[in-house]
Amino acid sequence: NAGVTQTPKFRILKIGQSMTLQCTQDMNHNYMYWYRQDPGMGLKLIYYSVGAGITDKGEVPNGYNVSRSTTEDFPLRLELAAPSQTSVYFCASSPTLTVGNSGANVLTFGAGSRLTVL
Amino acid sequence: AQTVTQSQPEMSVQEAETVTLSCTYDTSESDYYLFWYKQPPSRQMILVIRQEAYKQQNATENRFSVNFQKAAKSFSLKISDSQLGDAAMYFCAVNAGGTSYGKLTFGQGTILTVHP
Repeated sequence: NAGVTQTPKFRILKIGQSMTLQCTQDMNHNYMYWYRQDPGMGLKLIYYSVGAGITDKGEVPNGYNVSRSTTEDFPLRLELAAPSQTSVYFCASSPTLTVGNSGANVLTFGAGSRLTVL
Repeated sequence: AQTVTQSQPEMSVQEAETVTLSCTYDTSESDYYLFWYKQPPSRQMILVIRQEAYKQQNATENRFSVNFQKAAKSFSLKISDSQLGDAAMYFCAVNAGGTSYGKLTFGQGTILTVHP
């Protein structure tokens, strides 16, 4: 069972370039998330999704876009990369919230993607 | 809005000894969850322990336990019999529960060094 898989693991971008961070999970989780971790800081939520076709903004969405066409995949798009987007990006997923199940907030994280914008 | 504060940027402990990492939080929610995550040099985020706010009993997972003081909004992590593999960055986090799903608010982290 692979869990949450992110690609690429490392990437260097030039200012103004665009790229997509890929994330896929094989646990049939409805909920998926993108967090970023700046040096020496905790994680901050960028975007999240509660199911295919449904996405919403988190705490720091500016400069990013997401889509969720399938349950498994949740790519994060960076348009016009800026140095402020230099960070480590984590994708995560969690089980569906149901009555009596509080596990919806138990996240399984990917290994992270280190992005540098120069 | 929720906030999480970890006042100890770095801590160190001797192997086999006990160490406590501090965390305070603020939330206006009555139903919420608290977490400790471990991030070793590999960068992987690993759940250490989870506490449901409505439960008075402190959560424990093997050598890891918490001291949850709801009125004081304090949630410290105790690591007993420290091992070299415990060396990592530790993050405290809070989630409002219910329809907040996995929208966690994290603290800034505490780097734990374990000396042999």
